[in-house]
Amino acid sequence: DIQMTQSPSSLSASVGDRVTITCRASQNIRKYLNWYQQKPGEAPRLLIYGTSTLQSGVPSRFSGSGSGTDFTLTISSLQPEDFATYFCQQSYSTPPITFGQGTRLEIK
Amino acid sequence: QVQLQQWGAGLLKPSETLSLTCAVTGVSFSSHYWSWIRQSPGKGLEWIGEINHTGSTNYNPSLKSRVTMSVDTSTKQFSLNLSSVTAADMAVYYCARGRHIAVVTPIHWFDPWGQGTLVTVSS
Repeated sequence: DIQMTQSPSSLSASVGDRVTITCRASQNIRKYLNWYQQKPGEAPRLLIYGTSTLQSGVPSRFSGSGSGTDFTLTISSLQPEDFATYFCQQSYSTPPITFGQGTRLEIK
Repeated sequence: QVQLQQWGAGLLKPSETLSLTCAVTGVSFSSHYWSWIRQSPGKGLEWIGEINHTGSTNYNPSLKSRVTMSVDTSTKQFSLNLSSVTAADMAVYYCARGRHIAVVTPIHWFDPWGQGTLVTVSS
């Protein structure tokens, strides 16, 4: 199985900050990497697919980049509604599809 | 818009079979694969498997021996059975729309998700 490792596991930031979350795959997954946002008590919501394509309705302050084994999710200017947990997910080598352990983004 | 509504028993005893069903509205049922994913504090998000309208399945090898998925195209519903549950199976279980059936590349994401069902295993 491909292991997905996110860093940091948690992060404190302020409204207006630029934030970057990293996801590393245990082997080359080319660009088959997706990002999700999850708020407490809710299901995950797709933000970005194929490394860098924003899902419809997702604000443009979210962006994704990377390829191979190293990927990043960037939020250019944090808004109050962005405080949540973020997950990466690979689909290159399946089964199984695997997820990162999550990065919890908290208000400083 | 696409909506997934799921239901099933939330409290099980060890060795019982978990059964969940997910109903799809707002999209062609035959155009996608449909997945089950679970989330627990210990294991995080874990993909359980997927099924399409023909009943073709792909399962997570770690759960394959205990998982059965089925589909009812007449009602646009798909179901998950997980046998011989233990405390390790306690999680929130989600259904989700997966990859388009015609896609041949590995691109595969989940959107949208059902509301989730908390499954507790206790004697």
